[in-house]
Amino acid sequence: AQTVTQSQPEMSVQEAETVTLSCTYDTSENNYYLFWYKQPPSRQMILVIRQEAYKQQNATENRFSVNFQKAAKSFSLKISDSQLGDTAMYFCAFYELGGGADGLTFGKGTHLIIQP
Amino acid sequence: DAGVIQSPRHEVTEMGQEVTLRCKPISGHNSLFWYRQTMMRGLELLIYFNNNVPIDDSGMPEDRFSAKMPNASFSTLKIQPSEPRDSAVYFCASSFTGGTGDREQYFGPGTRLTVT
Repeated sequence: AQTVTQSQPEMSVQEAETVTLSCTYDTSENNYYLFWYKQPPSRQMILVIRQEAYKQQNATENRFSVNFQKAAKSFSLKISDSQLGDTAMYFCAFYELGGGADGLTFGKGTHLIIQP
Repeated sequence: DAGVIQSPRHEVTEMGQEVTLRCKPISGHNSLFWYRQTMMRGLELLIYFNNNVPIDDSGMPEDRFSAKMPNASFSTLKIQPSEPRDSAVYFCASSFTGGTGDREQYFGPGTRLTVT
């Protein structure tokens, strides 16, 4: 079974700083997707960024980028120029292609606080 | 598109009562997922449907939980009888799986269930 580990329960940075959230995963599969979801206090789950395992290039979405290290099974999220609205829980998630169960496996989350 | 719709947004019930949560997936999506979120266990997949057929219900905690998807636009998650430990936020998500779809799961706003 796949597992996803987020080792930072909580992080706090000043507005405009850059912050990196860590995520590691364990799988024996070769074809999969990795996601970062954001959950603000409204509790809505919002997709931040997606990475296909077969792509070597790291995904980027505006201020959000990932550092995907497939051999190390690491998938960190970097938020540049952090904003107050980035305050939220961030979940790393794993999705296996072609597996029997197509649900997402989530990490426990990192609570990110952006201080003014 | 209105996105994934869940109802009710909040439900408070007494132990032993039947609870039914409802979900309308995004039109055109062929996969539907029910997740449960608690502080202790994080986000867990309960059950997954593909083309209205339950594929994996290994996450359903016990026989008190049941889920149905009578058609492509509606699903229910029922708890009977409910217990205080069922208190959680229940999310429904949908996606299009197959072909070159990006497998992104779109989440509803969740139902916060409190069982007293």
